[in-house]
Amino acid sequence: GQNIDQPTEMTATEGAIVQINCTYQTSGFNGLFWYQQHAGEAPTFLSYNVLDGLEEKGRFSSFLSRSKGYSYLLLKELQMKDSASYLCAVMDSNYQLIWGAGTKLIIKP
Amino acid sequence: DADVTQTPRNRITKTGKRIMLECSQTKGHDRMYWYRQDPGLGLRLIYYSFDVKDINKGEISDGYSVSRQAQAKFSLSLESAIPNQTALYFCATSDSTDTGELFFGEGSRLTVL
Repeated sequence: GQNIDQPTEMTATEGAIVQINCTYQTSGFNGLFWYQQHAGEAPTFLSYNVLDGLEEKGRFSSFLSRSKGYSYLLLKELQMKDSASYLCAVMDSNYQLIWGAGTKLIIKP
Repeated sequence: DADVTQTPRNRITKTGKRIMLECSQTKGHDRMYWYRQDPGLGLRLIYYSFDVKDINKGEISDGYSVSRQAQAKFSLSLESAIPNQTALYFCATSDSTDTGELFFGEGSRLTVL
């Protein structure tokens, strides 16, 4: 079966750095997405990786290793507004998105 | 105004009632999706449509039906609502020429008593 694993919850301190991991087993691979979702709101796109390596976008970076079925989202200089759930999703060989359950990130002052 | 609009935003109904959730978009995207989200679970795909004449079942289509009335409109119906359909429902769109990035509506919270 297809599976996306990510930690259920993480806690970090304002101003610090946090890494949220995602491992996947899917039928084929056509890209990996990270979305941010604040409580009660819609998910919003953060990043897309299809090739191995690091993609940097401001305070957020996303890394992919296709051979290991592994990605991480790195958040730097954490702000209180970064408190949210972070969703990992993989597009399989049929171009269907498989979603992880999300990681709830709690930022403490 | 939001690019992807869902109505209603909140609905409480009773078991056995028929419910329709509507979605409209101004992004000009050809692809539209309906997802449900439950606590502790990932987003689950109910139905998707790649154009007006194309409707496909997703992972959890039982108990649901859809209608693609126009490129910009995609409605989800629950013919006879049951309590385990209580969830947060999201409509989303994407552009077939892009990476597959989804643009979500604000969500419709449905409670079935």
